[in-house]
Amino acid sequence: KNQVEQSPQSLIILEGKNCTLQCNYTVSPFSNLRWYKQDTGRGPVSLTIMTFSENTKSNGRYTATLDADTKQSSLHITASQLSDSASYICVVSGGTGGFKTIFGAGTRLFVKA
Amino acid sequence: ETGVTQTPRHLVMGMTNKKSLKCEQHLGHNAMYWYKQSAKKPLELMFVYSLEERVENNSVPSRFSPECPNSSHLFLHLHTLQPEDSALYLCASSQGPLPGTASSYEQYFGPGTRLTVT
Repeated sequence: KNQVEQSPQSLIILEGKNCTLQCNYTVSPFSNLRWYKQDTGRGPVSLTIMTFSENTKSNGRYTATLDADTKQSSLHITASQLSDSASYICVVSGGTGGFKTIFGAGTRLFVKA
Repeated sequence: ETGVTQTPRHLVMGMTNKKSLKCEQHLGHNAMYWYKQSAKKPLELMFVYSLEERVENNSVPSRFSPECPNSSHLFLHLHTLQPEDSALYLCASSQGPLPGTASSYEQYFGPGTRLTVT
């Protein structure tokens, strides 16, 4: 069964600190993995996309990694800011029997001053 | 803004009401999607339209009825809903997918409609 599991479910950090969010998936065959940021009351916005051959990709203070062998991805946030408070959603595309896009439940990040 | 707008932003309706959600994209995309987002649950794909043709319907109850009159507009007609249908309904658009093909195109989401069924 194609699944995407994210951890932790929620996280509280102090402003200026770093954090890492995890995503494990079982989607096979794999096509790509995206990380989305969803602010409260708004739709998700794409941060990064990674394909099978990519191990790391950065977007400002956000760095995503991908290990296609272990089917794991992480999103590292450096020098967190209050505006980073949001839900971060891992989305994996691929699968057999028709192309699927599977969403994780998200990690809710709270950055405190 | 992502180029995808949704109206209304908030909706409260009784179980016997009929209402419609509207989505419009200004990005020139040819695929549009409806998602349901409930608290602490992953986004659930409800419907996909590509080139105005419905290509996917994930076993959604018939009380939800989509309509895609053209590639820029998407509606979700609601009738005799249940309290468990209360959720955030998100619309998205992308360059793909085309029927029968795989797609890695990015989806651009609207702000959503917060629906409460009383």
